[in-house]
Amino acid sequence: EIVMTQSPATLSVSPGERATLSCRASQSVSSNLAWYQQKPGQAPRLLIYGASTRATGIPARFSGSGSGTEFTLTISSLQSEDFAVYYCQQYNNWYTFGQGTKLEIK
Amino acid sequence: EVQLVESGGGLVKPGGSLRLSCAASGFTFSSYSMNWVRQAPGKGLEWVSSISSSSSYIYYADSVKGRFTISRDNAKNSLYLQMNSLRAEDTAVYYCARAIGDTAMVPPDYWGQGTLVTVSS
Repeated sequence: EIVMTQSPATLSVSPGERATLSCRASQSVSSNLAWYQQKPGQAPRLLIYGASTRATGIPARFSGSGSGTEFTLTISSLQSEDFAVYYCQQYNNWYTFGQGTKLEIK
Repeated sequence: EVQLVESGGGLVKPGGSLRLSCAASGFTFSSYSMNWVRQAPGKGLEWVSSISSSSSYIYYADSVKGRFTISRDNAKNSLYLQMNSLRAEDTAVYYCARAIGDTAMVPPDYWGQGTLVTVSS
């Protein structure tokens, strides 16, 4: 099983600043990596797939990068609605999710 | 608008069974693979099962293999998850999620709001 490790567990950032979230795979997943946002009491929302392709309707302030085992989700200028939990998911070999990064207001 | 509405969750005793349903609308259901993903209370996401558009390909997580059965009825735009021999560790919100396409191993893009399954005596 491919293990996905996200860091940090919690990230405190002020509105308007940049946030950088990391995700590492225990073995190469090529570019088969997605990012999801989840707010309390809501279903996950797909942000990025193919490591860097924004899903339909996702604002340009969200960007993804990386390949192989190291991936990054960057939110360029945080809005109030961006504070949530973010999960990475590999789909190269079945599906596994990271444990999540909680993005909180500083 | 894509809509996925799960139903069938509830409280069940260990060893019991439950059947979840997911009603899909707003897209051509028969053209997409579908998934079940679960989330235990306060925990992260865990993929459970996937089924291709024509049911030709079906996959399960090791944690549910042999106990859960995924199926679909394209005429009714519906996805199902039959859960048998339930355990306390199956307690979770179960989400129905549409895959981006119909090839193997593609990520889900639209998710339902989930249905809670509680396994407890």
